[in-house]
Amino acid sequence: EAGVAQSPRYKIIEKRQSVAFWCNPISGHATLYWYQQILGQGPKLLIQFQNNGVVDDSQLPKDRFSAERLKGVDSTLKIQPAKLEDSAVYLCASERTANTEAFFGQGTRLTVV
Amino acid sequence: AQSVTQPDIHITVSEGASLELRCNYSYGATPYLFWYVQSPGQGLQLLLKYFSGDTLVQGIKGFEAEFKRSQSSFNLRKPSVHWSDAAEYFCAVGANNAGNMLTFGGGTRLMVKP
Repeated sequence: EAGVAQSPRYKIIEKRQSVAFWCNPISGHATLYWYQQILGQGPKLLIQFQNNGVVDDSQLPKDRFSAERLKGVDSTLKIQPAKLEDSAVYLCASERTANTEAFFGQGTRLTVV
Repeated sequence: AQSVTQPDIHITVSEGASLELRCNYSYGATPYLFWYVQSPGQGLQLLLKYFSGDTLVQGIKGFEAEFKRSQSSFNLRKPSVHWSDAAEYFCAVGANNAGNMLTFGGGTRLMVKP
């Protein structure tokens, strides 16, 4: 089966600009996660969706980050405006149902200059 | 709040030698525990997981891990390392409720000497 697809793979923007990342989960996977992985650190959960509803977004910096999964399939993560400290790899993961196995995409590497 | 500590940032072993990567967790209830591997430019791949039952868990690529509740540890082991095992390894704990909201450790970078 096809894996989790993310685009773009790389993005360079200037601070205060906006950026959006896209994730297409594995077909049939109801649960979707976005993680932020800063260089040299482990991934940090930003948000979890179950179908098109948000389960947990307690670690999402809502003043600048937003995410949606309107039809319960693809998801977008947006940053507006970006800060230098947002430079990281943004990983999307999906899971067929809760507490099974999360499959990760290759990530989008964001550089804010 | 749950947390994971991987005490070793870097480890270097010779090819064919045994390997043990340390992981300590903090969690109020029975944890779900995971080990992931990340190769350069790649996403995270699950090596193994512990939810309940036998505390010695077998994973892919010849890896195993042992859950020790008394030590709050979930160390990853491999009896004979291959050069292709060079990568970054992450231990993670998941809340045992709806969904695998994972808290990751900082990772251990494994280098393999020929």
